Amino acid sequence: GEDVEQSLFLSVREGDSSVINCTYTDSSSTYLYWYKQEPGAGLQLLTYIFSNMDMKQDQRLTVLLNKKDKHLSLRIADTQTGDSAIYFCAEIPSGNTGFQKLVFGTGTRLLVSP
Amino acid sequence: DAGITQSPRHKVTETGTPVTLRCHQTENHRYMYWYRQDPGHGLRLIHYSYGVKDTDKGEVSDGYSVSRSKTEDFLLTLESATSSQTSVYFCAISESEGGADTQYFGPGTRLTVL
Repeated sequence: GEDVEQSLFLSVREGDSSVINCTYTDSSSTYLYWYKQEPGAGLQLLTYIFSNMDMKQDQRLTVLLNKKDKHLSLRIADTQTGDSAIYFCAEIPSGNTGFQKLVFGTGTRLLVSP
Repeated sequence: DAGITQSPRHKVTETGTPVTLRCHQTENHRYMYWYRQDPGHGLRLIHYSYGVKDTDKGEVSDGYSVSRSKTEDFLLTLESATSSQTSVYFCAISESEGGADTQYFGPGTRLTVL
């Protein structure tokens, strides 16, 4: 089945690294995504990783993919108070033709304290 | 921001009344989507469209209908609103980006059904 799981809450101090984890069940997913949602706003695409990669780095963001364990993580270096938001991972399960059926996790609320 | 607007941004209505939400995009994207966001469920797909007059159901389509008479507009209608349809509704478009198909979201509509 299609089920993307995330922990609900993460609290860190400003300047620390944050690691948000996600597990998924469809090992044939082609792309996996991270979105950020600030209060009262829509979802903002942060980054994505193709399934044949195991790591992708983009400035303060590092995505790690462990296909064997179906585990995806997002590391935010030097976390700032402006990083406080809800973070969603999402996958496109296999078998989609013609349109993207994005399956979202329930989201992890990141709280960054000064 | 992929040129996506949603209207209205907030609406309060009564059970049994019809409600139409509008999504408007300015960049001629073929695929458009409607999601709802509820606590503990992440985002769930209601309906999607792959062209003018071409639409199909998502995983939570009961009680909703859609229409797309122009490329730029995708309408979501609740024929007879119920309290269970109180939610935040997001529209999205998809485009290809470096080989990955990515979805971009509008700012959302907060709907309350009393």
